[in-house]
Amino acid sequence: AQSVTQLDSHVSVSEGTPVLLRCNYSSSYSPSLFWYVQHPNKGLQLLLKYTSAATLVKGINGFEAEFKKSETSFHLTKPSAHMSDAAEYFCVVSGGSGYSTLTFGKGTMLLVSP
Amino acid sequence: NAGVTQTPKFQVLKTGQSMTLQCAQDMNHEYMSWYRQDPGMGLRLIHYSVGAGITDQGEVPNGYNVSRSTTEDFPLRLLSAAPSQTSVYFCASSYSLPGQGNTGELFFGEGSRLTVL
Repeated sequence: AQSVTQLDSHVSVSEGTPVLLRCNYSSSYSPSLFWYVQHPNKGLQLLLKYTSAATLVKGINGFEAEFKKSETSFHLTKPSAHMSDAAEYFCVVSGGSGYSTLTFGKGTMLLVSP
Repeated sequence: NAGVTQTPKFQVLKTGQSMTLQCAQDMNHEYMSWYRQDPGMGLRLIHYSVGAGITDQGEVPNGYNVSRSTTEDFPLRLLSAAPSQTSVYFCASSYSLPGQGNTGELFFGEGSRLTVL
């Protein structure tokens, strides 16, 4: 079985300040991990993914995430927030033998103020 | 390239009515799936398909039916709508099983917002 916990339902930052969205996971297998972003009234878009290669993963729009096996974490960061980053972010885990399905976290809403 | 197209974008139903949410993709993806999104719940898998003629249940399949007669289309049927099915529904597809390797990226439609009165 696998699960994912996003530790904050809402995160508020000011434009130009760093962003940290926290995600912990649980998996019986070597997991693949993802971050998706959802802008208002839109579908989800892949930001970045970890699939057992480099533990520091770079994604689109300046986001990156670090896979830490010892802490079972996959936190999403960005050095400087932009107004256009305001959206909901989902941490997702995939893993298991045979077929693969994704388990979504409950989401973190990122609010960016001027 | 249209990607994943869902129709309708909005729908209001009365309890007991039936309807079909349409999903089509033009990327020749084998894997297609339906999720529902509810506030504070993330996305939950309803049904999925790994190819034409093959479907299976996800986490919350009750009250929904699917079929996959072609690679491109994966309609979701609500048999007898209930207020608990008020939600935003997303169709998603990937070339291979989601999350696997470089071809498992899920592509999402823009969603269908359903209200059941």
